[in-house]
Amino acid sequence: KAGVTQTPRYLIKTRGQQVTLSCSPISGHRSVSWYQQTPGQGLQFLFEYFSETQRNKGNFPGRFSGRQFSNSRSEMNVSTLELGDSALYLCASSDSGRVLYNEQFFGPGTRLTVL
Amino acid sequence: DQQVKQNSPSLSVQEGRISILNCDYTNSMFDYFLWYKKYPAEGPTFLISISSIKDKNEDGRFTVFLNKSAKHLSLHIVPSQPGDSAVYFCAASGGYNQGGKLIFGQGTELSVKP
Repeated sequence: KAGVTQTPRYLIKTRGQQVTLSCSPISGHRSVSWYQQTPGQGLQFLFEYFSETQRNKGNFPGRFSGRQFSNSRSEMNVSTLELGDSALYLCASSDSGRVLYNEQFFGPGTRLTVL
Repeated sequence: DQQVKQNSPSLSVQEGRISILNCDYTNSMFDYFLWYKKYPAEGPTFLISISSIKDKNEDGRFTVFLNKSAKHLSLHIVPSQPGDSAVYFCAASGGYNQGGKLIFGQGTELSVKP
């Protein structure tokens, strides 16, 4: 089985721009979660999508949004980029048949640099 | 507020010895705990997990212990190998329909010296 794939792997943007990141989960996985990793804050949960619906949301401003398509692929969008948005954005997928248990499989991440 | 804490940013052990990584949590609603290992420029890789109804889970060289009353868990690696050198994150999940949301600790960088 192919793993979680994320595109692009690296991005450089300037303040005020917007960006869209893409994630393809493991085949058969219907849950996709997004995380932001920064040196200061560690790994922080952004949101989770399950069957095209946002099921959970972290404490991030509305500039961060996402969506999931019928094939479970997910995109994450950040509008009006700020310098502090520079981070590694990780996508994870899981077989979420058991909602109380979650072993997530992570992709390699997209490294976003905001100048 | 940081609900999952790993108070040791780094740990260095000799090859063949035991590595013990610690994690504390504050939210009693957490009912599932996981350990991930991360190499630079890669996503975290799942290592081992434990449900709150258990106090120990083993998988080869890796054992996770959970002390619910102390809200503490630890990961033991025996024997440690140089390939184990990486950043280790503990994570917690809890509550109905919260399965897709993991709360991570800050990570502990393990260095295993030959």
